[in-house]
Amino acid sequence: NAGVTQTPKFRVLKTGQSMTLLCAQDMNHEYMYWYRQDPGMGLRLIHYSVGEGTTAKGEVPDGYNVSRLKKQNFLLGLESAAPSQTSVYFCATRLAGGPEETQYFGPGTRLLVL
Amino acid sequence: KNQVEQSPQSLIILEGKNCTLQCNYTVSPFSNLRWYKQDTGRGPVSLTIMTFSENTKSNGRYTATLDADTKQSSLHITASQLSDSASYICVVSLNSGTYKYIFGTGTRLKVLA
Repeated sequence: NAGVTQTPKFRVLKTGQSMTLLCAQDMNHEYMYWYRQDPGMGLRLIHYSVGEGTTAKGEVPDGYNVSRLKKQNFLLGLESAAPSQTSVYFCATRLAGGPEETQYFGPGTRLLVL
Repeated sequence: KNQVEQSPQSLIILEGKNCTLQCNYTVSPFSNLRWYKQDTGRGPVSLTIMTFSENTKSNGRYTATLDADTKQSSLHITASQLSDSASYICVVSLNSGTYKYIFGTGTRLKVLA
């Protein structure tokens, strides 16, 4: 029972390159989220999904795309990376239901864009 | 504007001492408030959750309080241990939608031997 895993753990990109971050969960959670964490700022929501095949924009979606083809996986794509996307990216999952449900976070992906 | 502010930004204490972290929020409509612990290089892990009607919640040596009137919360750590060194994040959930969480910037705690 791995919980929430993220791949890769660390990546260096050059400006303009593309990449995909993978979030996988084995808890059968309906909701999945992608956040970014930057120094001096709280976690900010990029995109989220409330179920397989559905995605929605969060607070800072520009420059990112997502897909949720399978319930257990949530992919975050950067089509043309920019230095401003240097950050630590966290995936989170939770059960459907009320706001009292706990979010479970992955270990993070550290991305450096040169 | 929905906001969560935490203080202090950072704190250094000696092992065995107690400390209190603060969280002030202006979030509406309020649903609940959580405290998370985030170890360096790891994702946040939930410590406590309090709804509007709860004013205290404990989890081992961690005790959280909530004053819904003043919109303040505190996290008290008793008899600190080296393993308590981490960032502590206050998060407020809105009582609407499926994704509305407002995260504070966190307090970085360092416990020294």
